Amino acid sequence: TQLLEQSPQFLSIQEGENLTVYCNSSSVFSSLQWYRQEPGEGPVLLVTVVTGGEVKKLKRLTFQFGDARKDSSLHITAAQPGDTGLYLCAGARGTYKYIFGTGTRLKVLA
Amino acid sequence: GAGVSQSPRYKVAKRGQDVALRCDPISGHVSLFWYQQALGQGPEFLTYFQNEAQLDKSGLPSDRFFAERPEGSVSTLKIQRTQQEDSAVYLCASSPSVFESEQFFGPGTRLTVL
Repeated sequence: TQLLEQSPQFLSIQEGENLTVYCNSSSVFSSLQWYRQEPGEGPVLLVTVVTGGEVKKLKRLTFQFGDARKDSSLHITAAQPGDTGLYLCAGARGTYKYIFGTGTRLKVLA
Repeated sequence: GAGVSQSPRYKVAKRGQDVALRCDPISGHVSLFWYQQALGQGPEFLTYFQNEAQLDKSGLPSDRFFAERPEGSVSTLKIQRTQQEDSAVYLCASSPSVFESEQFFGPGTRLTVL
């Protein structure tokens, strides 16, 4: 049972477009992570957000943690084909246990 | 290589067979995790080791699943009497310490049970 719902589930956009992926839960998390996973590989950590309301920027990617620490968003500006992949959010439960979201599969067309 | 490695990368088993999946974490990493990832879904937590101690096995689906890390480095996930619903990618991840939140994932083992 996955407690973190991501939307949209699939997204296909043209190069240069902007997009936002959402990660929602009814549970509070002490921190939240975003990963990107490519076919045949394990997830790779993009960012960890800890404080409610926190915003972090990583080049063209902007991550926000909700004020109540129950939700998060990932915004990509001017998407590129290299951004293609499965985006996963993961909420921390305690010191080591992470609950992963349902995933958003992004395809950026050249 | 400096990353987490897993073997085999692909495993096909007949229903009822036992399988063993190996994880070589990054050297010196204290924490080790196993996850199960169904096609197109996010990983689901199976179990957690801190050195050789298995501190949490709450995610193991049944008593057919067993994991060990006897010397606090290499870990093995064993599945007995495999069933079709066990088909998935099994991911291993390691982390430098209990206080480090970043997990470094291996490429996974894709298990197909016929």
